[in-house]
Amino acid sequence: DGGITQSPKYLFRKEGQNVTLSCEQNLNHDAMYWYRQDPGQGLRLIYYSQIVNDFQKGDIAEGYSVSREKKESFPLTVTSAQKNPTAFYLCASSLYDNYGYTFGSGTRLTVV
Amino acid sequence: EDQVTQSPEALRLQEGESSSLNCSYTVSGLRGLFWYRQDPGKGPEFLFTLYSAGEEKEKERLKATLTKKESFLHITAPKPEDSATYLCAVQAGYGGSQGNLIFGKGTKLSVKP
Repeated sequence: DGGITQSPKYLFRKEGQNVTLSCEQNLNHDAMYWYRQDPGQGLRLIYYSQIVNDFQKGDIAEGYSVSREKKESFPLTVTSAQKNPTAFYLCASSLYDNYGYTFGSGTRLTVV
Repeated sequence: EDQVTQSPEALRLQEGESSSLNCSYTVSGLRGLFWYRQDPGKGPEFLFTLYSAGEEKEKERLKATLTKKESFLHITAPKPEDSATYLCAVQAGYGGSQGNLIFGKGTKLSVKP
């Protein structure tokens, strides 16, 4: 079955460490997205990529980095520069000319 | 600025008690309006896409409608399994956020048996 796989489901990070969240899709979608979700707030866009080897900053890109070396993969690195990284992270994908996203099941990151 | 506002923030219903959720929006050229359902600790699940004012779509006990300023998600005779957070999002046709989905904060629905 086609879908988006995020791993791990739970992730714990010590302050000052970088950590990478994985996102893989087998839907043959061109565009991929990373969102952050905090209690009481809507989903906020971190980064997005519409084609391989190209990506753009979203509304809250500071402290994050991404790469898009393969169509299927769009990993997100949360760097030590991100001041408040504890959150629920969601990856999504869509066909470039299609409307609407398919979401993964999310990664909950906690800084300890 | 493109914006989505959902109301109420939380809604408690008795099983069988019909109601509506509201999604008000301002956007630079609406390309599409989307409804998602999200269960705790999971990713959003797609429900509907609406493209133009007057359009309606139905799925089981849910019906989504669209005007030029807002969308409603009507829930008829809800069951406890309808309990979830319902998210509304719009896609702008032009401007700084063109093509990307802009989400509201959601309405948390609880249906008691």
